[in-house]
Amino acid sequence: GQQLNQSPQSMFIQEGEDVSMNCTSSSIFNTWLWYKQDPGEGPVLLIALYKAGELTSNGRLTAQFGITRKDSFLNISASIPSDVGIYFCAGQNRAGNNRKLIWGLGTSLAVNP
Amino acid sequence: DSGVTQTPKHLITATGQRVTLRCSPRSGDLSVYWYQQSLDQGLQFLIQYYNGEERAKGNILERFSAQQFPDLHSELNLSSLELGDSALYFCASSVASLNTGELFFGEGSRLTVL
Repeated sequence: GQQLNQSPQSMFIQEGEDVSMNCTSSSIFNTWLWYKQDPGEGPVLLIALYKAGELTSNGRLTAQFGITRKDSFLNISASIPSDVGIYFCAGQNRAGNNRKLIWGLGTSLAVNP
Repeated sequence: DSGVTQTPKHLITATGQRVTLRCSPRSGDLSVYWYQQSLDQGLQFLIQYYNGEERAKGNILERFSAQQFPDLHSELNLSSLELGDSALYFCASSVASLNTGELFFGEGSRLTVL
């Protein structure tokens, strides 16, 4: 099925560093979502974006809805060990009744204390 | 704790067999979604039920079927299992009929087919 291009695939950083990851699509979306999956758990919603250009924060996390509506970015500031996990982006076109989420393959984040 | 409960957590079976995965959604949620997660394919949407009725269908194989019961719990049946069916199967729930993207996921059922 259709997938988003999420990069980087993996990151290994030092505690305290900032992190940036992004997601791109060939299609336009009107909703972008960022989820985090901890080891052995299901994905948990971090941030939802509904408007092109929107910038939304959740604690140390900030996500942006690209103005082209074909990309989104997630930044994590001052990383800590519990930020370890896989971060997934998902896009959705909420037109009509077809509202399937299209998912990226994830960015795996490792934090060295 | 998302409030979504999935059983079993782990399941090992042989090719050709049939298994049933169970999901109880969050209290008050009427929609249940099933996803398959594998390393190379990521999260693949299988099917959605809303209040007992099929609402949306994704990449669900004909060997797989699902249903949602009057008490809103859902079951995913996987039959004639193949090695490639080994994956994590997630259930997610939401309150709405139409998918807003804001889903609550269970911890998953890890299926290993030998």
